[in-house]
Amino acid sequence: EPEVTQTPSHQVTQMGQEVILRCVPISNHLYFYWYRQILGQKVEFLVSFYNNEISEKSEIFDDQFSVERPDGSNFTLKIRSTKLEDSAMYFCASSGGGRNTEAFFGQGTRLTVV
Amino acid sequence: GQNIDQPTEMTATEGAIVQINCTYQTSGFNGLFWYQQHAGEAPTFLSYNVLDGLEEKGRFSSFLSRSKGYSYLLLKELQMKDSASYLCAVRENYGGSQGNLIFGKGTKLSVKP
Repeated sequence: EPEVTQTPSHQVTQMGQEVILRCVPISNHLYFYWYRQILGQKVEFLVSFYNNEISEKSEIFDDQFSVERPDGSNFTLKIRSTKLEDSAMYFCASSGGGRNTEAFFGQGTRLTVV
Repeated sequence: GQNIDQPTEMTATEGAIVQINCTYQTSGFNGLFWYQQHAGEAPTFLSYNVLDGLEEKGRFSSFLSRSKGYSYLLLKELQMKDSASYLCAVRENYGGSQGNLIFGKGTKLSVKP
């Protein structure tokens, strides 16, 4: 069964460092998303990406964040200068074309900023 | 504003039926989703409603009333493996995109023998 894959599964980084989280969405999907979940809290939307550009972003997705689809398969989230409060599980998701399809989530990257 | 409410925790007995309610107030509406999330894992899709009524999928059913901003997830013949958090999420509709998901805080269900 096709799945969304994310690497790495865990990342520990020092405050102020840049991190890149990687995702390979399901191959025929057109919409890509990043969500995050701080431990014990709800899943929060960060950004959606369609047709090689950002289609929506939340207030969380400030200038420290960027997304890129560098080739036909990868979808990345970059955090330029990490803060302690960026520690969370980051989920990539993708959904197919059409209005009524569900989003499939990857297994997540647990980011710990120390 | 956006508000999605669901109970924080519920407990039920193996073999029983449990109903998890969700109420929502969002600026747009393009469908309501239920996801299951085991601790430390990704949300996995359970069901989707965009029209009023009941959608049945094996042991799981989901109901939607758009006029009341209300949904529920019904789990039948509970099994121990159903112990998880159940996330209610609303997809808002922005222009031509599919719209992002707004999640509730989740309901942690514990199934006891």
